[in-house]
Amino acid sequence: EAGVVQSPRYKIIEKKQPVAFWCNPISGHNTLYWYLQNLGQGPELLIRYENEEAVDDSQLPKDRFSAERLKGVDSTLKIQPAELGDSAVYLCASSPGRNNEQFFGPGTRLTVL
Amino acid sequence: AQSVTQPDIHITVSEGASLELRCNYSYGATPYLFWYVQSPGQGLQLLLKYFSGDTLVQGIKGFEAEFKRSQSSFNLRKPSVHWSDAAEYFCAVDVALGTYKYIFGTGTRLKVLA
Repeated sequence: EAGVVQSPRYKIIEKKQPVAFWCNPISGHNTLYWYLQNLGQGPELLIRYENEEAVDDSQLPKDRFSAERLKGVDSTLKIQPAELGDSAVYLCASSPGRNNEQFFGPGTRLTVL
Repeated sequence: AQSVTQPDIHITVSEGASLELRCNYSYGATPYLFWYVQSPGQGLQLLLKYFSGDTLVQGIKGFEAEFKRSQSSFNLRKPSVHWSDAAEYFCAVDVALGTYKYIFGTGTRLKVLA
């Protein structure tokens, strides 16, 4: 069974530029999560989807961050414009349902110069 | 407020030695507790979890953890460490019981000496 796929794996951009991350969850997993992991820290939840509905986005900085999960499968997380402090690893995870184990992708490492 | 503390940022052990990674939590009730491992370039992988019942839980890769309510702890142990265990280990609490809304600790980076 294929795991959670994320792309790109690495991204370097200059500040004020836009950037987008893509996540393909495990087939059949209805719940999808985006996390932010700063260096030396544990992951922090940004947003959780149940199918195509964002059910928990309280930690998402909505002034510059946006996310979508069209058709309840793949998801995209966008930052516009990026700031230096956005440099981090962005993790995607999926689960069969909200009361089940999460499976994590390898993450996208973002560097903002 | 709920929190998870991993007091050891780095731990170094020799291959074959025993290992204990500490985790303390602050939560108003008995939480759901997890240990994850993150190898370089890999996603987080679940090692084990505790929901209720027997306070000693067995996980994958020879790991176990013991829930101690009186100490608000959930320490991870392995009797004999292998070089491949070198990674970062995260303790997590599910703060909305059963919904897997995690609060993660800051992690402990394990180095294994040959």
